[in-house]
Amino acid sequence: EVEVVDSGGGLVQPGRSLRLSCIASGFTFDDYAMHWVRQAPGKGLEWVAGISWNRVNIGYADSVKGRFTISRDNARNSVSLQMNSLRVEDTAVYYCVKDREQLPRGYFQHWGQGTLVTVSS
Amino acid sequence: QSVLTQPPSASGTPGQRVSISCSGNSSNIGGNSVFWYQQLPGMAPKLLIYRNYQRPAGVPDRFSGSKSGTSASLAISGLRSEDEADYYCSSWDDSLIGPVFGGGTKLTVL
Repeated sequence: EVEVVDSGGGLVQPGRSLRLSCIASGFTFDDYAMHWVRQAPGKGLEWVAGISWNRVNIGYADSVKGRFTISRDNARNSVSLQMNSLRVEDTAVYYCVKDREQLPRGYFQHWGQGTLVTVSS
Repeated sequence: QSVLTQPPSASGTPGQRVSISCSGNSSNIGGNSVFWYQQLPGMAPKLLIYRNYQRPAGVPDRFSGSKSGTSASLAISGLRSEDEADYYCSSWDDSLIGPVFGGGTKLTVL
């Protein structure tokens, strides 16, 4: 059974950094792209970043470009999101999501339970 | 403001058929597949429809998707109380070079 477990959220001050982690199991991890998708309180879904199976294709939403970095370690079945220069508007539940394809085209097949990031002074 | 446009709310009574629309343009829905996600209250989203009309294993055939031009639609027949949730459409956008979502539709079962 596919399982995606995301973690690392918490309360952080504006301008500081936070690193989210995700461990996946139940499938051949290095065959699929992975993403981070977020949802601000009471709001809709927003794609944040995606990474291909071999780390060659990486994409970011304009709202986080230059501040966030997605990475993956296929040996550990893990994907991370390094978030720097955090802003109040980055407050959201962040979901780690498995794609159905090798390239991060947004076929969001399996979702983690989400981890809450709160940016506040 | 979301790239894809959905009605903020929809409603129906048990047993009824409801439809939720999703409107885009030639950069997204017009040239790419549409996906639909169901988010039950307090839960993570779940894939409901992929590649415009296909259902993952385990999704009841009461749920169906369609696409025409730059618009798509999710239909739910035989509405049940457990269908009460938020529904999101999504597609790849060739101009933004990333996936985009609709703003979501809150379905209420009266």
